[in-house]
Amino acid sequence: DTAVSQTPKYLVTQMGNDKSIKCEQNLGHDTMYWYKQDSKKFLKIMFSYNNKELIINETVPNRFSPKSPDKAHLNLHINSLELGDSAVYFCASSTRTVGAEKLFFGSGTQLSVL
Amino acid sequence: SQQGEEDPQALSIQEGENATMNCSYKTSINNLQWYRQNSGRGLVHLILIRSNEREKHSGRLRVTLDTSKKSSSLLITASRAADTASYFCATDPSGNTGKLIFGQGTTLQVKP
Repeated sequence: DTAVSQTPKYLVTQMGNDKSIKCEQNLGHDTMYWYKQDSKKFLKIMFSYNNKELIINETVPNRFSPKSPDKAHLNLHINSLELGDSAVYFCASSTRTVGAEKLFFGSGTQLSVL
Repeated sequence: SQQGEEDPQALSIQEGENATMNCSYKTSINNLQWYRQNSGRGLVHLILIRSNEREKHSGRLRVTLDTSKKSSSLLITASRAADTASYFCATDPSGNTGKLIFGQGTTLQVKP
């Protein structure tokens, strides 16, 4: 009964390939996020969706395209992968209710671009 | 620019000792949160302190917030080997947007 689950856990691929990471939450939250953690453990938000609507889009290359088919799912598709895309990508979810701002994170997808 | 910065970057203590981690931030905040990350895992929320609160407790955790100094501290008392992890502070300057700004974390090692 994992709250926020993302797949795959590890992703090793060649430069130039296209790949997707999937995320699902069963907490009934209406907001989902993608965060990127680099090799120095610096964690930065990439996207946020609320009820399938994009609400946060940080300065991320167009090669990254999130898709939210419903409020329980948020996928991340990456085109033309580059070496610099190697990182751990975390999906997270939360409610927007005041007083419940904490985020619930998935266990991460470690992406290695060779 | 990065909002939160933790100090120290790494901390190694013996089981039973207390561990104190500090976090500084740059802009006004709605709340400040602390998260724990075990190696190879996702972040887990520990505690949230609002801008109008000065101290908060949760089990062996004590968090303080000084908005005049734009700083917070996390104290873990009577540490255990299982507390070994990275600890991050995070702020939401905009207030309830979920756009948390994380520091780079303090890596805590608790030796048995």
